[in-house]
Amino acid sequence: QVQLKESGPGLVQPSQTLSLTCTVAGFSLTSYNVHWVRQPPGKGLEWMGVIWNTGGTRYNSALKSRLSISKDTSKSQVFLKMNSLQTEDTATYYCARAQYTTLAYWGQGTLVTVSS
Amino acid sequence: DIQMTQSPSSLSASLGDRVTITCRASQDIGNYLTWFQQKPGKSPRRMIYGATNLAAGVPSRFSGSRSGSDYSLTISSLESEDVADYHCLQSIQYPYTFGAGTKLELK
Repeated sequence: QVQLKESGPGLVQPSQTLSLTCTVAGFSLTSYNVHWVRQPPGKGLEWMGVIWNTGGTRYNSALKSRLSISKDTSKSQVFLKMNSLQTEDTATYYCARAQYTTLAYWGQGTLVTVSS
Repeated sequence: DIQMTQSPSSLSASLGDRVTITCRASQDIGNYLTWFQQKPGKSPRRMIYGATNLAAGVPSRFSGSRSGSDYSLTISSLESEDVADYHCLQSIQYPYTFGAGTKLELK
């Protein structure tokens, strides 16, 4: 059974760095791409980036200077790091597994609030 | 970046109504179009992929179609459990881009 679960701090101070972990089960990170998507409260979805099964990455150009995605395949974990957080980065952050070039399986999401 | 223009932004319909939501792509995306349903407090659920393919477990009243650069999600007979937000996603080119979403409510 394919599962993804995001974890991380619920509260981050402005200008600090966000670190999130996506722990997966039921598949290998060497076989599938994993994406990160975020959703500000009451707003739409924003694609952030992807880490390919090969380890390569692509990022949303709007976030590229602040965003880094990596993984530890032995631990079945994907990591998101984003620096210089501002209040507009308050959102629910999702990881999702690709299948047939789309996002087929999603984690439950984790709400991150940026506030002092 | 490819822009996905989704309409309407909100929609009020009655039980049993036929409902259609549309996304227009700013560039050719072939059939790399996915529709998601999202209920409050929940993750998006894939409903249609490849523009017209029904995802596993999705009721047959949902369907997807394409006319040129316009992609549509249709619910043939609205049920109460269909009340949700709906999002489209293009996945032919990075960055992937979503439509702005449609809030579907009961009249």
